Amino acid sequence: ETGVTQSPTHLIKTRGQQVTLRCSSQSGHNTVSWYQQALGQGPQFIFQYYREEENGRGNFPPRFSGLQFPNYSSELNVNALELDDSALYLCASSWGPAALHFGNGTRLTVT
Amino acid sequence: AQSVTQLDSQVPVFEEAPVELRCNYSSSVSVYLFWYVQYPNQGLQLLLKYLSGSTLVESINGFEAEFNKSQTSFHLRKPSVHISDTAEYFCAVSDPGNQFYFGTGTSLTVIP
Repeated sequence: ETGVTQSPTHLIKTRGQQVTLRCSSQSGHNTVSWYQQALGQGPQFIFQYYREEENGRGNFPPRFSGLQFPNYSSELNVNALELDDSALYLCASSWGPAALHFGNGTRLTVT
Repeated sequence: AQSVTQLDSQVPVFEEAPVELRCNYSSSVSVYLFWYVQYPNQGLQLLLKYLSGSTLVESINGFEAEFNKSQTSFHLRKPSVHISDTAEYFCAVSDPGNQFYFGTGTSLTVIP
């Protein structure tokens, strides 16, 4: 059984740039969600995708957007990067209302 | 809306001593409850979960948590900790839409 994999593991961007983070969900999972974890904080919900459609969103601005593909993999896109976007971005997959299975995350640093 | 409060940000404990990590939640709907563990530079790993049934749930590595609906708590306990238990622990609740709300975490440090 393949777990959740995320790429890249680390990324450094400049303020104002755009970034795309990628996630492959665990085999058999049809729901993908993204979380932002700032240093010393718990993960904050960004959004969730089910069958290629967004079906839940946290308190994040529209410059945070995403996609889910037919194979249930997903992308998180962030436009116009700000310094406060520096964080660990976690992807998680699940099947129905159940526990989330997390990847190891992408560490994004905005300078 | 749902929220989670972890009452202790840091918990130092000696090896082989018992430990309790406290978690309280607030919710206007029925929720599921979880504990996750995070090791440095890694994602979160599920430790245990309460979905329904028995209010006492156990993990394979000796942790247990008890769901107390009247006190809206889901405290995590272990009778004897090991060095390898040193990590960050997060309590979480999920709503009917499977959106998860996490606490700010408790850093458990096991002292030899």
